[in-house]
Parts: sequence; C-alpha cells; structure tokens
Amino acid sequence: DQQVKQNSPSLSVQEGRISILNCDYTNSMFDYFLWYKKYPAEGPTFLISISSIKDKNEDGRFTVFLNKSAKHLSLHIVPSQPGDSAVYFCAASAQGGTSYGKLTFGQGTILTVHP
Amino acid sequence: NAGVTQTPKFQVLKTGQSMTLQCAQDMNHNSMYWYRQDPGMGLRLIYYSASEGTTDKGEVPNGYNVSRLNKREFSLRLESAAPSQTSVYFCASRDMYNEQYFGPGTRLTVT
Repeated sequence: DQQVKQNSPSLSVQEGRISILNCDYTNSMFDYFLWYKKYPAEGPTFLISISSIKDKNEDGRFTVFLNKSAKHLSLHIVPSQPGDSAVYFCAASAQGGTSYGKLTFGQGTILTVHP
Repeated sequence: NAGVTQTPKFQVLKTGQSMTLQCAQDMNHNSMYWYRQDPGMGLRLIYYSASEGTTDKGEVPNGYNVSRLNKREFSLRLESAAPSQTSVYFCASRDMYNEQYFGPGTRLTVT
C-alpha cells in the first residue's frame, strides 16, 4: 500500500519556465511534508518542507503548496534552471508520539530542464 | 564537517555471503535511519534508531540486522545475502528540525 504517491515518473520543461511536481498521500496522520532532491550517485538532499498548519511555504525559487482536504502537495520551481535536473522525492511524516521522524517516500519524479 | 559517511561505496556479494554496511555521522544527531532505494519504489525504511541504545524495525526489515554502536555509528548487517537485496542503501540522521541528512549511499549487488 503506497501511502505517498508521485504519479508522474518524469517531467520535462524548458529553462526559465515553471516546473510543477505533484504528490498525493493517503495517511491522515501525516502532518509534516518534505521534498528531497537527488543527483545520480549521491544521497538525497533536503530542499523544502511544510507543516500541516500551513498551506504554503517559499524558499527562493521553490514553493511548496499543501491542500489537506485533497491530501495533495505540489512543488513549484520558478524559474527552472538546467541545474535543477534531478530526481525529486516527496516524503511525509507523522510528527507526534512514537513516529521518531520516520519518513515515507514517494517513488520520485525525474525532472529534466532543457536549456 | 563530513556530515553522514557510508562505507563501502560499492559491493558485490554472492548469494549466502554476509557483510556489514557502515554509517557514521558527526552532527551529534540522536536519530539515525537505514533506507533502501529500488527503481520505481522510492526509498523504503529498513531499520531506525531513535537514540543511542535503541533500534526498531521499519517497513522492510526482513533479512537485515542493525547495531547502534554509539551515538555516531549505525551499522546494517546482511547475514545471508539474497539477490532480492540488490539495491542502493542510504543511511540518514535527523536534526532537531526533523530534517534528515543522507549519506552518499552503498550500491550492493548480490549475484
């Protein structure tokens, strides 16, 4: 049972345009969401996060939107740059109790930004 | 400041052989994690350690054991490797803001 899903395996955009990566989740206990970026032969690196008490969080070119009623979040990259080409993973966590920060990851979306 | 380090980077095993993947972090984090990444599956949690002296199972623990040697080090052991354990293995540690920091990974092939 995939609790976090990224239904688009890949996305291709032109440099300077907007990239929108989507993520859906099913577990209502999730209250903290993160996006990680991964280059080949490297470990994932943290990009941006959002708590369930917010519906938007911005950090430079990156914005994450959360729609709790739809159990959906999205990552917007504006403007996209060739160096953004990587695999993007959505992850979710239930912060309270005995969760100990365990993350549940989506399958990943390969983003390619063309010059 | 090296962050999270993992050894080895690559390993090839024959079915039935054993090995230990090593992980260390120098950020003084309490919690550490082992994940595996397979094509189309994302990262799946194998085991985690909430603090020194404690370990617990994650989503896919079968065939693995772990040891939290001290606050810095968290190792993953395969007692009898199987082809289904061919994967890329990542170790991570978590800071006080609930962000996890990952090592560079170990690519394991079991033939």
